[in-house]
Amino acid sequence: GAVVSQHPSRVICKSGTSVKIECRSLDFQATTMFWYRQFPKQSLMLMATSNEGSKATYEQGVEKDKFLINHASLTLSTLTVTSAHPEDSSFYICSAKIGRLATNEQFFGPGTRLTVL
Amino acid sequence: AQSVTQPDIHITVSEGASLELRCNYSYGATPYLFWYVQSPGQGLQLLLKYFSGDTLVQGIKGFEAEFKRSQSSFNLRKPSVHWSDAAEYFCAVGPLLGNQFYFGTGTSLTVIP
Repeated sequence: GAVVSQHPSRVICKSGTSVKIECRSLDFQATTMFWYRQFPKQSLMLMATSNEGSKATYEQGVEKDKFLINHASLTLSTLTVTSAHPEDSSFYICSAKIGRLATNEQFFGPGTRLTVL
Repeated sequence: AQSVTQPDIHITVSEGASLELRCNYSYGATPYLFWYVQSPGQGLQLLLKYFSGDTLVQGIKGFEAEFKRSQSSFNLRKPSVHWSDAAEYFCAVGPLLGNQFYFGTGTSLTVIP
């Protein structure tokens, strides 16, 4: 199957700093990429949907200025957590998809564990 | 409102025993249903999906799931569990068009020898 990578896999930062997480589709071009957030023992919550070359669509309750998403190419999307605080500590997962139909599978990355001290 | 419920937070089964993980959904339109598995430190892997047709769908790793519209359920089953099946399992529902997936809270599976 198609492979999606994330970098870094784990990051620890100080409160007030910004952190960038990369999501890459390695062997296919993704029409759309998604960013999810997962708290311990909880479900994945969709944060935003991004299409290459256009602005990301954020879900209700997600701060656009806090979580900056750049989808520079069909194989790369980045999530920047700006001025991170301890409550931003979480597991961030990206996924990538070809096409808009539900029949088109979403391929998930391995996730990035963010810890804000 | 759309939602997915996985009533069992954690399940423990013996290796070789059968397994059933429950999933109930609430969705305003025709649901498209998925089961994913997440191993520690890994991304989510698609086990199987249901869009239409035969309500019993076969997936990878010997898993199957049955869609029951009357019960709004999409339970995952495996006749004989292997130790490598220990992982977190997520049920999800999504639309035909668009990207809004709704995930359940997951069921953690432990397999004992």
